[in-house]
Amino acid sequence: DTEVTQTPKHLVMGMTNKKSLKCEQHMGHRAMYWYKQKAKKPPELMFVYSYEKLSINESVPSRFSPECPNSSLLNLHLHALQPEDSALYLCASSQSSGDRAIHEQYFGPGTRLTVT
Amino acid sequence: GQSLEQPSEVTAVEGAIVQINCTYQTSGFYGLSWYQQHDGGAPTFLSYNALDGLEETGRFSSFLSRSDSYGYLLLQELQMKDSASYFCAVSYNQGGKLIFGQGTELSVKP
Repeated sequence: DTEVTQTPKHLVMGMTNKKSLKCEQHMGHRAMYWYKQKAKKPPELMFVYSYEKLSINESVPSRFSPECPNSSLLNLHLHALQPEDSALYLCASSQSSGDRAIHEQYFGPGTRLTVT
Repeated sequence: GQSLEQPSEVTAVEGAIVQINCTYQTSGFYGLSWYQQHDGGAPTFLSYNALDGLEETGRFSSFLSRSDSYGYLLLQELQMKDSASYFCAVSYNQGGKLIFGQGTELSVKP
């Protein structure tokens, strides 16, 4: 099974809402990632978890709060978002966060988020 | 910062060969990989190079020259389904992350 799943596929939320994005993988991967992608742009790294510990936070605003409950699951909690946060949010995983392993990342289909 | 350069758009015809170049900053460089992303889809890993030379996977090959801080993705026998965005991505020693280029949009015409 080389699949990363993400729910929901689409999400529309108001600026005062709280919502969560979910990501799951069953490949035994120990590194998991959140990316944000705008149209016609590359994926932009937000967070990296390695062995369930947050290892990289790319200076993401606190209205985005990641959580890794176990080695298979990754959540992204959203609160008080702005319209400019509308984007495709991609989850990915790799075997580890080692120098070689990070190059082979498996991406989920993404959650398309619209903030109104 | 650590910048990557790749062409924004490339157009080719079915059956042709196309090369997408990527240049990167040298200091601390570890490796380079390539991802394909169709419109509305997720990025998919294509290939990885850490040492100089050519890596071949079916119709796709990737090349790296560390001395020139340059790599390319070569797509042969182009098919319509190869129309997609292609991203090069690099990592730096113990950086723990990939840095993606801006992407090259490949259009394959009949």
